[in-house]
Amino acid sequence: ETGVTQTPRHLVMGMTNKKSLKCEQHLGHNAMYWYKQSAKKPLELMFVYSLEERVENNSVPSRFSPECPNSSHLFLHLHTLQPEDSALYLCASSQEVAGGYEQYFGPGTRLTVT
Amino acid sequence: TQLLEQSPQFLSIQEGENLTVYCNSSSVFSSLQWYRQEPGEGPVLLVTVVTGGEVKKLKRLTFQFGDARKDSSLHITAAQPGDTGLYLCAGAQLSDYKLSFGAGTTVTVRA
Repeated sequence: ETGVTQTPRHLVMGMTNKKSLKCEQHLGHNAMYWYKQSAKKPLELMFVYSLEERVENNSVPSRFSPECPNSSHLFLHLHTLQPEDSALYLCASSQEVAGGYEQYFGPGTRLTVT
Repeated sequence: TQLLEQSPQFLSIQEGENLTVYCNSSSVFSSLQWYRQEPGEGPVLLVTVVTGGEVKKLKRLTFQFGDARKDSSLHITAAQPGDTGLYLCAGAQLSDYKLSFGAGTTVTVRA
């Protein structure tokens, strides 16, 4: 248990559906992240929020829409996805320690787009 | 974003053997983190090394940060099947929210 929870753990959706992924951190951190992890590819950073303000948006398609209502919660809203969007979506939160930010990950949501 | 190269990409060994995973970059990092990820789960932070030349031990795992803070290694002694997983290294810079991740090393320990 890392202190970061994600729901749902598994999601199957059609290309015309709208769904949301939820992340909650219980660590008191002030930064939160969304990553995409596809098979045989490195982790891809999607979005970063610091103190509920988006500070990074790595050229992610508009069919992915993040929302950070407070420092403990992060959402990823999904609509009209493509099959190539099937992946493990990971949420992380971080705190600054000596040497930089240390990230703690949730268990991920395995998304399958049919 | 600075690149971190991990080697080898895959490693399969017998239980009881030792193994070393390397993480290299041409960039200097303020700290370096190692994670282990099991299938279907998120990466779990194992250790953070901060000082050049630093060595940290976590039971049978030994982590070393290079003197120049550009590289790191993870050594596992007497590997067990429970050590199986994807090992990721990630470099951090002061005041930067982002980490630079390596592509990972998949370790399989056969019983």
